[in-house]
Amino acid sequence: GNSVTQMEGPVTLSEEAFLTINCTYTATGYPSLFWYVQYPGEGLQLLLKATKADDKGSNKGFEATYRKETTSFHLEKGSVQVSDSAVYFCALTPRAGSYQLTFGKGTKLSVIP
Amino acid sequence: DTGVSQDPRHKITKRGQNVTFRCDPISEHNRLYWYRQTLGQGPEFLTYFQNEAQLEKSRLLSDRFSAERPKGSFSTLEIQRTEQGDSAMYLCASRGLAGDDEQYFGPGTRLTVT
Repeated sequence: GNSVTQMEGPVTLSEEAFLTINCTYTATGYPSLFWYVQYPGEGLQLLLKATKADDKGSNKGFEATYRKETTSFHLEKGSVQVSDSAVYFCALTPRAGSYQLTFGKGTKLSVIP
Repeated sequence: DTGVSQDPRHKITKRGQNVTFRCDPISEHNRLYWYRQTLGQGPEFLTYFQNEAQLEKSRLLSDRFSAERPKGSFSTLEIQRTEQGDSAMYLCASRGLAGDDEQYFGPGTRLTVT
C-alpha cells in the first residue's frame, strides 16, 4: 500500500534559519506529492505540490523537488519567519481510483524570534 | 468563491450517543472526501463520493459509521453509539475536475466523546 514517512518533530528554529523537513514515500505508479500546512486553529491548506519526477513545487518561499530515484519530497525554506510556525504534512495521491490522500504524521515547526 | 464548510465546528457528546456532521463542498466540485485526524497524527481517509455515489470506504469506517450524499451536493457523516476512541477531528474535502488532483479542505469538526 501507499505510505508517507516524514521526520518527527517538533522542530524549533530561530527566525531566518534554514528549514528542511524530510519526507519519503512508498507508492505504486507515479503519485502526485503534496505539502499541506495547518496553522494553529485553522484547517489544512495546500502549500505546494509536484506531479511528476524532477518537478519542483514552490510557494511562499518554500520549495520541494519530486525525486523519484530516492522516493523523496523534502520541504525547504531558506529563511523562516515566526509566521511559518505550524504543522506541516507531506502527502501523496496515486492519481487513480478515488485519488485519496495518504498523509505523513506531520511535523510541528516553531520559529522563535 | 466560498470554500468547503463544515458544521458544527465542535461537538461534545456522551458515550453511546449518535452524532451527525455536515459538509458543504465547493459548489462545482462533484467529488467529496471524509478524513479523520487524531491528535498528533496525519489525516486518514474514511470515504469517497463521486456525485451521490459512495465509491470507496476505508476499513476504518466501522459499521457504526455511515456517510451519505443524497443529492450529490452536501454530505453527512453519522456516528452511532459513539465511543471515546471516536474523539478526533473529522475533515471534509472536495475535488473538482477529473484530471485535477488537488483537494480543498474544510475547517473540520472536532468531536469529543466523554
